[in-house]
Amino acid sequence: AQKVTQAQTEISVVEKEDVTLDCVYETRDTTYYLFWYKQPPSGELVFLIRRNSFDEQNEISGRYSWNFQKSTSSFNFTITASQVVDSAVYFCALSYLSGTYKYIFGTGTRLKVLA
Amino acid sequence: NAGVTQTPKFRILKIGQSMTLQCAQDMNHNYMYWYRQDPGMGLKLIYYSVGAGITDKGEVPNGYNVSRSTTEDFPLRLELAAPSQTSVYFCASSYSGESPLHFGNGTRLTVT
Repeated sequence: AQKVTQAQTEISVVEKEDVTLDCVYETRDTTYYLFWYKQPPSGELVFLIRRNSFDEQNEISGRYSWNFQKSTSSFNFTITASQVVDSAVYFCALSYLSGTYKYIFGTGTRLKVLA
Repeated sequence: NAGVTQTPKFRILKIGQSMTLQCAQDMNHNYMYWYRQDPGMGLKLIYYSVGAGITDKGEVPNGYNVSRSTTEDFPLRLELAAPSQTSVYFCASSYSGESPLHFGNGTRLTVT
């Protein structure tokens, strides 16, 4: 079965600490796509990054970086030097082809960055 | 360019009432989705559509119905509302199944 697991329900860090959010996925398909979304306290959902199953290159965007490892079926998200504005719920998602593409989400990790 | 527009933003229903949540997108996206978000449960896919006239069930379709008569609109119908349907509902769209989702701002529904 296709599944996305975010085992960390809630993480609290002090500002300027680094923090890693874990995402483990399950899929039988060889072609799939992984995503991270951010949901700040205001409630909207914002796309952060997409990775396809053939591209295991890590990506860095400012203070954000993503580590995709097919060997461990993980797509982890690291925030360096966290800031209060990073406080949000972060969702990992998987898009896979089953007839048509389906899009499923993990349960999310609530990140609290304390000043 | 409005993106994905959901109406209403808030609604309170009595048990057994029905209502339609509206969703419209102006990006000419083929794929549209309805999710519900319960506290601590992430986003659960209710229904999705890959184009006008084509819809399919997601993970939690019971108690809901959808239609997709145009590319732009994807309304979600709740028949015989139940307290278990109290949730925040998000509509989303994407160009393709591999593309990032664009979300509406959500509808907070309470059934009492």
